Amino acid sequence: SQTIHQWPATLVQPVGSPLSLECTVEGTSNPNLYWYRQAAGRGLQLLFYSVGIGQISSEVPQNLSASRPQDRQFILSSKKLLLSDSGFYLCAARMTGKETQYFGPGTRLLVL
Amino acid sequence: GENVEQHPSTLSVQEGDSAVIKCTYSDSASNYFPWYKQELGKRPQLIIDIRSNVGEKKDQRIAVTLNKTAKHFSLHITETQPEDSAVYFCAASNDYKLSFGAGTTVTVRA
Repeated sequence: SQTIHQWPATLVQPVGSPLSLECTVEGTSNPNLYWYRQAAGRGLQLLFYSVGIGQISSEVPQNLSASRPQDRQFILSSKKLLLSDSGFYLCAARMTGKETQYFGPGTRLLVL
Repeated sequence: GENVEQHPSTLSVQEGDSAVIKCTYSDSASNYFPWYKQELGKRPQLIIDIRSNVGEKKDQRIAVTLNKTAKHFSLHITETQPEDSAVYFCAASNDYKLSFGAGTTVTVRA
């Protein structure tokens, strides 16, 4: 079975600072990978998804970007954080040929 | 794109009673419908799913029903227990992406 790792677990950053969140997946090859954001008390907003190395689809135009430099690595970045970027960032993976998405433990980001 | 609506947004039930959450979807091509449970501060966890070729699926106290004609599906929790208190999300998919409902906060009163 697959295991999803995310780090850091929590992060406090000042407005205007850069961001890099990492997600890695074990136990599967060529997964579909996803980044979601969840504001406090709210639902799940899909930010980016990737079906393969270097292939990124953006769902919401904003100051965030994503990259997939390796098959099982997915990175979420920003050059300058905004207050509105605060939230719970969840990476999810879907195994090839399967329909179910499984979530990583998440990174809680607070922008001050 | 797919649009999923979920009701109610909050649900309070007495321990031992049943809870029902309903979702509707807009894209008739959607063919996979998972339900996730999210406890406070934790990741969403898959609790049950159903595919469009099945009308009902049950797993112990949890069941999901699907009406493709009406484009709605429901989660049923019987004999609710305090540990069932959480936020529940429905979702629909027909390709790489899941479209989520806004969530239902379920509170089980002891």
